[in-house]
Amino acid sequence: NAGVTQTPKFRVLKTGQSMTLLCAQDMNHEYMYWYRQDPGMGLRLIHYSVGEGTTAKGEVPDGYNVSRLKKQNFLLGLESAAPSQTSVYFCASSQGYTSNEQFFGPGTRLTVL
Amino acid sequence: AQSVTQLDSHVSVSEGTPVLLRCNYSSSYSPSLFWYVQHPNKGLQLLLKYTSAATLVKGINGFEAEFKKSETSFHLTKPSAHMSDAAEYFCVVSGGSARQLTFGSGTQLTVLP
Repeated sequence: NAGVTQTPKFRVLKTGQSMTLLCAQDMNHEYMYWYRQDPGMGLRLIHYSVGEGTTAKGEVPDGYNVSRLKKQNFLLGLESAAPSQTSVYFCASSQGYTSNEQFFGPGTRLTVL
Repeated sequence: AQSVTQLDSHVSVSEGTPVLLRCNYSSSYSPSLFWYVQHPNKGLQLLLKYTSAATLVKGINGFEAEFKKSETSFHLTKPSAHMSDAAEYFCVVSGGSARQLTFGSGTQLTVLP
């Protein structure tokens, strides 16, 4: 099993550009999450999904959109990138109601110039 | 609502001496609590978790934590530090309808030779 994978690993954008981060899991997990990590802070929840076709806002959702068209994939989109979105992004998944342990991907380092 | 406070942003110990990383939590629910470790430029690895079973939880690499409800604490300990323990450690609480994780701001552990 690959677990949770993220694509790409690194990306540099200019202000105003758009991009999509892809998260994939092969554990048949119901719940998926997107977090961002900034220096001196723990991870903060951006958006999450409790099943295919459902999404919800987390703590810091502004400037991001998400989609969960397939159970195994969770996409994070930036429509118009801003320097404040420079961060490391982590995806995670969990079984859901039967277990709250989350499994994390390796992260995507995004720089917005 | 839930929150986590890690009482020390940096801890330095000598190799072979005990490690204590302190964490206090606040939760409206019966909490599930975790400790994660992050080595430089790496993803997050689960060290241990508390989910209302035994209050003393043993994790990987010789770490353990004790849940104390009266003190709302979940401190992480290890009897003897190793150089490979140098990393950032996050105390995390889980709660909410989607088992969202709330992270502390992290404690950077330095192990001196």
